[in-house]
Amino acid sequence: QLQLQESGPGLVKPSETLSLTCTVSGGSISSSSYYWGWIRQPPGKGLEWIGSIYYSGSTYYNPSLKSRVTISVDTSKNQFSLKLSSVTAADTAVYYCASVNIENWFDPWGQGTLVTVSS
Amino acid sequence: EIVMTQSPATLSVSPGERATLSCRASQSVSSNLAWYQQKPGQAPRLLIYGASTRATGIPARFSGSGSGTEFTLTISSLQSEDFAVYYCQQYNNWPRKALTFGGGTKVEIK
Repeated sequence: QLQLQESGPGLVKPSETLSLTCTVSGGSISSSSYYWGWIRQPPGKGLEWIGSIYYSGSTYYNPSLKSRVTISVDTSKNQFSLKLSSVTAADTAVYYCASVNIENWFDPWGQGTLVTVSS
Repeated sequence: EIVMTQSPATLSVSPGERATLSCRASQSVSSNLAWYQQKPGQAPRLLIYGASTRATGIPARFSGSGSGTEFTLTISSLQSEDFAVYYCQQYNNWPRKALTFGGGTKVEIK
């Protein structure tokens, strides 16, 4: 049974880069059955897909964030990572990682981690 | 981008009653639609994919229907644990089009 866990700083300064890692357990990140994705949720608001990666390294980003997002995968550690550059207060959110079925629904999700952008 | 619109924003229902939630797509997404449930302080949980297929372990009181641009999630007899926020998500024509979520419907106790 797949489990995912986000990790990274909970506080990032404006204009800096947000960096998070998702550790996958209970299965291999190199599985051909899944993509791996990041989704975020500002406090009290809805869900926004950030981007997805395949174990081969192919990446797919939300056009609204594409210029600031980098997602990478480390198969040796069974992890994938998110970098979001030039952050502002609008990037304050709970960030979730998730397994993305090959047809593109999200299941399961990590528990989420709150990242606050503030000086 | 395909815009997903959910209605109503809030639905007040008594335990044991039926709840009907709507999700509309700005263009056809065929049956490429999923529903999620989110409780306070928790991550979303997949309920339905392919517009009408229940995910593993999801009770039969949850059902999904629709295709094209109009979709419905029905909870046949609300249990106390069903009061939550529900989101729809389309995954049509990915990766040519971004994955997008609706704004959510909060199901609250009447």
